[in-house]
Amino acid sequence: EAQVTQNPRYLITVTGKKLTVTCSQNMNHEYMSWYRQDPGLGLRQIYYSMNVEVTDKGDVPEGYKVSRKEKRNFPLILESPSPNQTSLYFCASSFSTSGSKQYFGPGTRLTVL
Amino acid sequence: QKEVEQDPGPLSVPEGAIVSLNCTYSNSAFQYFMWYRQYSRKGPELLMYTYSSGNKEDGRFTAQVDKSSKYISLFIRDSQPSDSATYLCAWTDTQGGSEKLVFGKGTKLTVNP
Repeated sequence: EAQVTQNPRYLITVTGKKLTVTCSQNMNHEYMSWYRQDPGLGLRQIYYSMNVEVTDKGDVPEGYKVSRKEKRNFPLILESPSPNQTSLYFCASSFSTSGSKQYFGPGTRLTVL
Repeated sequence: QKEVEQDPGPLSVPEGAIVSLNCTYSNSAFQYFMWYRQYSRKGPELLMYTYSSGNKEDGRFTAQVDKSSKYISLFIRDSQPSDSATYLCAWTDTQGGSEKLVFGKGTKLTVNP
């Protein structure tokens, strides 16, 4: 089954404690991205990757890091989480962005205390 | 001026109604236009995409794009309770060689039986 998986699905942590949210896709997609979704602000892109070892900033990259060492995986790293990073996070993948269907993961709800 | 403006809703209609959802944008670099549907507690899923002005039909759904006026619309005919979801318009921004996806904030639709 074609899918994007994220782990963990729910996470409560404290300010400053480094965390990683994993994302994996089994569709051999080149393009992967991370979004956060907040009430009243909608879905905003954090980082994206057009292929292995190629990453670029989206609209809200501050406080986040990503890496793309393998085609299937695109982890999101919060080196020092802060309460304003409490949000719902989605990973997505597609063959490209140009009219290509983006497959979204189920989401990770993060709370930073 | 914000890059993307989407009718905020929420929208509540009776079953069988015709629904019109609208977005406007300001950036001429936007190329591919999409509508996503997001059910509660789920990731968004692609409904329709197009890259040219005009109408594109898929069953009960019609996407309309007017590049000269910079707006896109989604029409739902014979709406069903299963159409109750948040609808997100989206564009690809290809300025500077990047391929970012830009989303509207979403319109929440409820179709009442």
